[in-house]
Amino acid sequence: KNEVEQSPQNLTAQEGEFITINCSYSVGISALHWLQQHPGGGIVSLFMLSSGKKKHGRLIATINIQEKHSSLHITASHPRDSAVYICAVSSSDTDKLIFGTGTRLQVFP
Amino acid sequence: DVKVTQSSRYLVKRTGEKVFLECVQDMDHENMFWYRQDPGLGLRLIYFSYDVKMKEKGDIPEGYSVSREKKERFSLILESASTNQTSMYLCASRSRGEGAGQPQHFGDGTRLSIL
Repeated sequence: KNEVEQSPQNLTAQEGEFITINCSYSVGISALHWLQQHPGGGIVSLFMLSSGKKKHGRLIATINIQEKHSSLHITASHPRDSAVYICAVSSSDTDKLIFGTGTRLQVFP
Repeated sequence: DVKVTQSSRYLVKRTGEKVFLECVQDMDHENMFWYRQDPGLGLRLIYFSYDVKMKEKGDIPEGYSVSREKKERFSLILESASTNQTSMYLCASRSRGEGAGQPQHFGDGTRLSIL
């Protein structure tokens, strides 16, 4: 079983829809990261959080430490949001990142 | 803004060749990482380095080596390329900072094909 599990693996949406991507983890963490990878490969960091909730524009990330679960929400989705979204945790034991396998999102106009 | 630059976006090599992937960062970061990314497996850590001339094995080091002669440059070497090393390779860097959990900054990736 992977230490970081994401769902769904693939997601399609119509422009304007509210999107939720989920991430569950089974290890002790010091932080959780949400990353975005566009076609072509480059990865950018969207959020780093260790408690509560963060918001940046139309993106919202939440984390529940007790339940070892995080969600990434996209409000009013747009075709330019189409990308792979990756959840990763900083292990509190090893200081390394452990990655989920990603959620491929396609938003159609 | 941090800039992590990988020398090639696409690379095609032949089985048995020695392959060098180069990564340069411009923010004086101590920590640098090499990952490979494969469908359904996510990113897996090959090697990392905490300082010049220091290197540590990651989760899948077999068939790879690394070199960190200067702080800004971290090279990944495929000693004798094989077809199962066809993959997307990503370099990242991070400031050492206080405590764990600092974000990593990624390059654009090198899509390597071994024929």
